[in-house]
Amino acid sequence: NSKVIQTPRYLVKGQGQKAKMRCIPEKGHPVVFWYQQNKNNEFKFLINFQNQEVLQQIDMTEKRFSAECPSNSPCSLEIQSSEAGDSALYLCASSLGGVSQNTLYFGAGTRLSVL
Amino acid sequence: TQTVSQSDAHVTVFEGDSVELRCNYSYGGSIYLSWYIQHHGHGLQFLLKYYSGNPVVQGVNGFEAEFSKSDSSFHLRKASVHWSDSAVYFCAVGTGNTGKLIFGLGTTLQVQP
Repeated sequence: NSKVIQTPRYLVKGQGQKAKMRCIPEKGHPVVFWYQQNKNNEFKFLINFQNQEVLQQIDMTEKRFSAECPSNSPCSLEIQSSEAGDSALYLCASSLGGVSQNTLYFGAGTRLSVL
Repeated sequence: TQTVSQSDAHVTVFEGDSVELRCNYSYGGSIYLSWYIQHHGHGLQFLLKYYSGNPVVQGVNGFEAEFSKSDSSFHLRKASVHWSDSAVYFCAVGTGNTGKLIFGLGTTLQVQP
């Protein structure tokens, strides 16, 4: 079983409000990913980090999305001004990197509902 | 551009039946193929992967998958399913060296008693 911990499990926000979710990757995994899974099971890659550095990120939707992975603290994903279309399951995953970089271990997700 | 296609949105079988969940991809270079399972209300759990070598790979809980370059496929199989195998199964393709995956839309497997 994965040991990636995501909090909170559920998040309800009004439009325009900030939404912040956190992720503790599996111990010893230097690479962290954030994905958005919508109700149609479409996955959207958002960003990934190696240690504290960003590896890749999408054009973060008019800069409303921000993410960080500080050392000795949980990683976080924040939406500055939530919109209805942001309602989705946000999945954090980690990997060992190197030859195992494509094997991801996922957390249970944070389900965001924007009313 | 890489794409992943899972042709069956829903598959229903009885407990003890065999099952095959189909996955086809399009990409011309070296790829990394994997399957994940998602039980209702949970995150994704890694099942198995293929990168090179023996095209038939074994995974957890009796699952296996076979890579076919000629068919651009990576179908998942299990010889005898259990009710607890009911879940959504996602095929994923990885390329490059960043670990970023592209997922199919999933196949919902329902195992009836």
